[in-house]
Amino acid sequence: DAKTTQPPSMDCAEGRAANLPCNHSTISGNEYVYWYRQIHSQGPQYIIHGLKNNETNEMASLIITEDRKSSTLILPHATLRDTAVYYCIVRVGVNDMRFGAGTRLTVKP
Amino acid sequence: DAMVIQNPRYQVTQFGKPVTLSCSQTLNHNVMYWYQQKSSQAPKLLFHYYDKDFNNEADTPDNFQSRRPNTSFCFLDIRSPGLGDAAMYLCATSSKIGADTQYFGPGTRLTVL
Repeated sequence: DAKTTQPPSMDCAEGRAANLPCNHSTISGNEYVYWYRQIHSQGPQYIIHGLKNNETNEMASLIITEDRKSSTLILPHATLRDTAVYYCIVRVGVNDMRFGAGTRLTVKP
Repeated sequence: DAMVIQNPRYQVTQFGKPVTLSCSQTLNHNVMYWYQQKSSQAPKLLFHYYDKDFNNEADTPDNFQSRRPNTSFCFLDIRSPGLGDAAMYLCATSSKIGADTQYFGPGTRLTVL
C-alpha cells in the first residue's frame, strides 16, 4: 500500500525539461518526499528529497505544493541517459522506504 | 571510490538448494539493507541491520535470513529457494537510521531452476 501515486509512463524529448508528477495526498506533517531512479539493470539512485520547500541540486529540482499533497520532479534538460524508472517515496517510518510502482520515463532523441 | 559491491552479479541455484548472496561496502555505513525486486516490480525491503541489530520486515518469509559479521559485509541466505524467489536482490547502505540517502549496489539477479 504505497502512499504515492505516479503515472506509469511518460515520454520526453531530449534536451527538454521532464516534469514527473507525484500525488501523496495522505502525507503526514513530518514525512519527507524522496525521489530515486533506477536505470535498467542497476540499483536505485538517490536524486533529491524535500519536506516543504522547493529543493534543487545538480541533478534535479523538486517542487512541493503548499498543501504538500503533491510534488513534481523536474529534470531541466533531459538526456537519453535519464531514461529510467523514477520512484516517488514518502518515508513511512524511521527507516522504511516503500517504493511504489514508479514512472517509466523514456527520453527520445 | 567508496561504493556498495554485490557478488556475484548473477547467481543460478536449484530449487531447494541453499544460496548465499553477498554485499560489501567501503562507505563505513552503520546501516545495511536487503531488498527484493521481482521482474517489473518495485524493490521491497526484506530486512536491515543497524550495526549488529537485525530488523526483519513483518512479511519477510522465514526462508530468508541474513548475517552481518562486520561493518563492511552483509549476507543474504535463502535456505530453500523456490521458483518464486527468482528476483533481483539489492543491497543498500545508509550512514544512520533515518538517513536522507540510501546507497544501492548493482544487485544480484537470482535464477532458480
